[in-house]
Amino acid sequence: AQSVSQHNHHVILSEAASLELGCNYSYGGTVNLFWYVQYPGQHLQLLLKYFSGDPLVKGIKGFEAEFIKSKFSFNLRKPSVQWSDTAEYFCAVIGGSQGNLIFGKGTKLSVKP
Amino acid sequence: DVKVTQSSRYLVKRTGEKVFLECVQDMDHENMFWYRQDPGLGLRLIYFSYDVKMKEKGDIPEGYSVSREKKERFSLILESASTNQTSMYLCASGLGASGNTIYFGEGSWLTVV
Repeated sequence: AQSVSQHNHHVILSEAASLELGCNYSYGGTVNLFWYVQYPGQHLQLLLKYFSGDPLVKGIKGFEAEFIKSKFSFNLRKPSVQWSDTAEYFCAVIGGSQGNLIFGKGTKLSVKP
Repeated sequence: DVKVTQSSRYLVKRTGEKVFLECVQDMDHENMFWYRQDPGLGLRLIYFSYDVKMKEKGDIPEGYSVSREKKERFSLILESASTNQTSMYLCASGLGASGNTIYFGEGSWLTVV
């Protein structure tokens, strides 16, 4: 069965610090990978996605993620975080042809002003 | 824009009540999903549907059932609500082939007392 692991439950950073959130998945075949963000009191929003092609994917608000197939990883990065990035971040994967989106448990990011 | 609408944002129900959560999407998507979101557990798939009258169990189907009589509508039913079903419920929809983005509704907060 597919699964997604997010390494950090809660990350606390100061503004302007760099961010990297880890995500690993378990599925041997073709995958589609996603990062979703949920700001406090709001619904899930798509941050970025990888389907094929360039493994370095750029998303909204200065986020990017790199797909490393050999490591089964899809880590999220941002060079300089802002207070407004405080949110919960979810990595998700669709493996194979079924189209089910499987989520990690989420990483809560708190950015101190 | 894709719209996934969940009929109720906030509900409070009593233990043992039958609860219906409704979800409607306006993009003719084949796939629809119900997740529940709990702190520290991420999003867990309850049920999904690939087509009208089709349904498949997700990871945590116990205590729930679903109905998909029309393509645009996917209902989640709690036959006899229990306090451990207090949660945020998220509906999502997407196109049939993998590699397509899944879109989420705003969520329904259910409290069972």
